Amino acid sequence: GESVGLHLPTLSVQEGDNSIINCAYSNSASDYFIWYKQESGKGPQFIIDIRSNMDKRQGQRVTVLLNKTVKHLSLQIAATQPGDSAVYFCAERGAAGNKLTFGGGTRVLVKP
Amino acid sequence: GAVVSQHPSRVICKSGTSVKIECRSLDFQATTMFWYRQFPKQSLMLMATSNEGSKATYEQGVEKDKFLINHASLTLSTLTVTSAHPEDSSFYICSAVGGPETVGSPLHFGNGTRLTVT
Repeated sequence: GESVGLHLPTLSVQEGDNSIINCAYSNSASDYFIWYKQESGKGPQFIIDIRSNMDKRQGQRVTVLLNKTVKHLSLQIAATQPGDSAVYFCAERGAAGNKLTFGGGTRVLVKP
Repeated sequence: GAVVSQHPSRVICKSGTSVKIECRSLDFQATTMFWYRQFPKQSLMLMATSNEGSKATYEQGVEKDKFLINHASLTLSTLTVTSAHPEDSSFYICSAVGGPETVGSPLHFGNGTRLTVT
């Protein structure tokens, strides 16, 4: 079945540095991708999304890149702050419906 | 923005009892709600999709008679864990779609319910 996976389970980054979180997906029919941030004991919080007809989208301090050729998604966080410490999930949606498939998650630890 | 509220945030119950978890969309009508389960240090796993006024669609391996879902209105879906056992202890999260954004917009999640079965 479809799956979405991550390369790095934990990312430790110095405060102020940029963070890059990677995600691989296997369903070439996926048309929509989302990055979520989850803090301990809370539900996922939307960060940024991108549709399959785009390869880059920018938000506030975050950029999502989509490479459909290799089925790879990344989230870049600029000037990482202590409040960015959390687990980050990528999610992909197939061509039909709103059902999301989540990746395994990457924990980001920001060192002061 | 769209807000999804989940209640309770934490619940402890004895083995064999049933527990009901509520998921409400506070400022929009949710045509579809999703229920996820998340074990510690793991990702979210979809359990079922709930559409208002119709039967829920369960993912493979999820027992529909054990995890009863009711989506009786456009703002409320409930998940009842029946005859709970310690292995049902988990973090249950709902999400809803149908907010003010266009179709296909990101799902909005509740803050989850931590279920502990003793």
